[in-house]
Amino acid sequence: SAVISQKPSRDICQRGTSLTIQCQVDSQVTMMFWYRQQPGQSLTLIATANQGSEATYESGFVIDKFPISRPNLTFSTLTVSNMSPEDSSIYLCSVEGRPGADTQYFGPGTRLTVL
Amino acid sequence: QKEVEQNSGPLSVPEGAIASLNCTYSDRVSQSFFWYRQYSGKSPELIMSIYSNGDKEDGRFTAQLNKASQYVSLLIRDSQPSDSATYLCAVIPPSGTASKLTFGTGTRLQVTL
Repeated sequence: SAVISQKPSRDICQRGTSLTIQCQVDSQVTMMFWYRQQPGQSLTLIATANQGSEATYESGFVIDKFPISRPNLTFSTLTVSNMSPEDSSIYLCSVEGRPGADTQYFGPGTRLTVL
Repeated sequence: QKEVEQNSGPLSVPEGAIASLNCTYSDRVSQSFFWYRQYSGKSPELIMSIYSNGDKEDGRFTAQLNKASQYVSLLIRDSQPSDSATYLCAVIPPSGTASKLTFGTGTRLQVTL
């Protein structure tokens, strides 16, 4: 499976600010995904990051709050905008196992705390 | 009704025993099912995928799927303390974007000495 890295691994931010999380993969992948895992809860898909087009957002998530970039087939960013304490979560990117496969592999995650 | 349901646990089993983790899903037409393991403070790690009714074995792990009952399970044989983690069941529903995983809330497994 692909090697996935995320930056930063953790951060503590003030409310009202924004944080951009980077996800880098060591091979080209078509599908990249961003998930949120709130404390003590399971994973929720935020959006699918599409190369060359706008991200596809799930119900309850909007582009103004979570803008996503996908400039190429190995890299994506997720920005958490105008943060509030409710945004304190682990944010994870994932990639498909191989083209057309439906298995997904996760990056190490970014632990975000908003004060 | 939640799309994917799991008992949150904790499920406690003694070392060497079989741990049985269960998951039910609501969309009868779902086709792809996955088990992930998540250690505390770490990201989920894919253990097994299963697509057809019946059993699929990989080492100490066996995934079981029963589409008629909308039920998928994970058996861990010869449980070890290192198996103590949260196990997440995930399903790809038939509608919507391909590879869109829907996760259950996870079952916390504790393997005791």
